[in-house]
Amino acid sequence: GESVGLHLPTLSVQEGDNSIINCAYSNSASDYFIWYKQESGKGPQFIIDIRSNMDKRQGQRVTVLLNKTVKHLSLQIAATQPGDSAVYFCAHNAGNMLTFGGGTRLMVKP
Amino acid sequence: DTEVTQTPKHLVMGMTNKKSLKCEQHMGHRAMYWYKQKAKKPPELMFVYSYEKLSINESVPSRFSPECPNSSLLNLHLHALQPEDSALYLCASAQDGELFFGEGSRLTVL
Repeated sequence: GESVGLHLPTLSVQEGDNSIINCAYSNSASDYFIWYKQESGKGPQFIIDIRSNMDKRQGQRVTVLLNKTVKHLSLQIAATQPGDSAVYFCAHNAGNMLTFGGGTRLMVKP
Repeated sequence: DTEVTQTPKHLVMGMTNKKSLKCEQHMGHRAMYWYKQKAKKPPELMFVYSYEKLSINESVPSRFSPECPNSSLLNLHLHALQPEDSALYLCASAQDGELFFGEGSRLTVL
């Protein structure tokens, strides 16, 4: 079956530095992944997605990299800001069915 | 309108009570979901409705009873819950692979 896991439960970065959050997966028949941000007391919020025909996708201050060979994806946040403090989940999407990874808490130090 | 609205935001109930959680979306999405999220854990899928029909039940106990009265509404009826059912209950709707989550209903069972 599908499993999605994260390497680090907590990541602490200095404001202004870049953040990298990692995620590993296994046994994926279709490679469509989504990163979600969840702030305290709120629901998950879509950040960026990537499909198997891509290995990199960029948004505003965020970049997602997908390495299908080693079944690994990462979320890079440039110039991390206090407002980026949240829990970040990677999720695998198969036909509108989401399976979430364990989550990484990003803490931004002023 | 790109929102999924959940009510109530907070609910405290006893083990003998009957209560309901409500979810509403007006984006025309035909897939709607209930997820359960315990503290410091990722969301876990409970139910999926597709075109107002229950398509997936992830072996959820019968004390949780979903209902989809129409394409915009999704309810979760609660009866005889246990303290371990205390969690954040998230509703989501989806179209073309992207899920939109509500803010959740935080349930406490005494």
